Amino acid sequence: DGGITQSPKYLFRKEGQNVTLSCEQNLNHDAMYWYRQDPGQGLRLIYYSQIVNDFQKGDIAEGYSVSREKKESFPLTVTSAQKNPTAFYLCASSIEGRYQPQHFGDGTRLSIL
Amino acid sequence: AQRVTQPEKLLSVFKGAPVELKCNYSYSGSPELFWYVQYSRQRLQLLLRHISRESIKGFTADLNKGETSFHLKKPFAQEEDSAMYYCALASGYSTLTFGKGTMLLVSP
Repeated sequence: DGGITQSPKYLFRKEGQNVTLSCEQNLNHDAMYWYRQDPGQGLRLIYYSQIVNDFQKGDIAEGYSVSREKKESFPLTVTSAQKNPTAFYLCASSIEGRYQPQHFGDGTRLSIL
Repeated sequence: AQRVTQPEKLLSVFKGAPVELKCNYSYSGSPELFWYVQYSRQRLQLLLRHISRESIKGFTADLNKGETSFHLKKPFAQEEDSAMYYCALASGYSTLTFGKGTMLLVSP
């Protein structure tokens, strides 16, 4: 089904390497989000964007970067500065507003070689 | 700062038994709360939100501002209810703060 597409499903990173996770949505949503999911930790917000060409840091932004050049796309780069990048990464989008539900992708699992 | 607490990592019940998944929150403003669910091999999805005051798949949740709680309840659990459940608080204009989640296992 469509909605939000994350790729790749699995990603391996070498030490010192930057990697980029893709997130695309066809829901015409203004807001997009990146979360990190670790066992027993729930979801923690990395970055979010409420409009094209603008984004804000979430609770755990250190070692990550994002861009929002198009409404449909919100890629996340895990930089070499992120010392513990092994995790499951979820992208979400929503209509803007406090009452609006977020729609999630299938996620990308990042592992370190 | 806002916080969502789900005290149980795992809740195991038998089919037909009542279920209550606990959620407590800390927030200085007017709270907006949600329950999200992730079934095995499926995406995380919205189950219900308190503003809608709805019942989805037999689940209900009532916001209790006095006890700062938003517990999820179902009178008779089904095996297909087995999943990971997350309580979430609207912590900004559109951002959410999630709890750590509770795994519900319903045994036959």
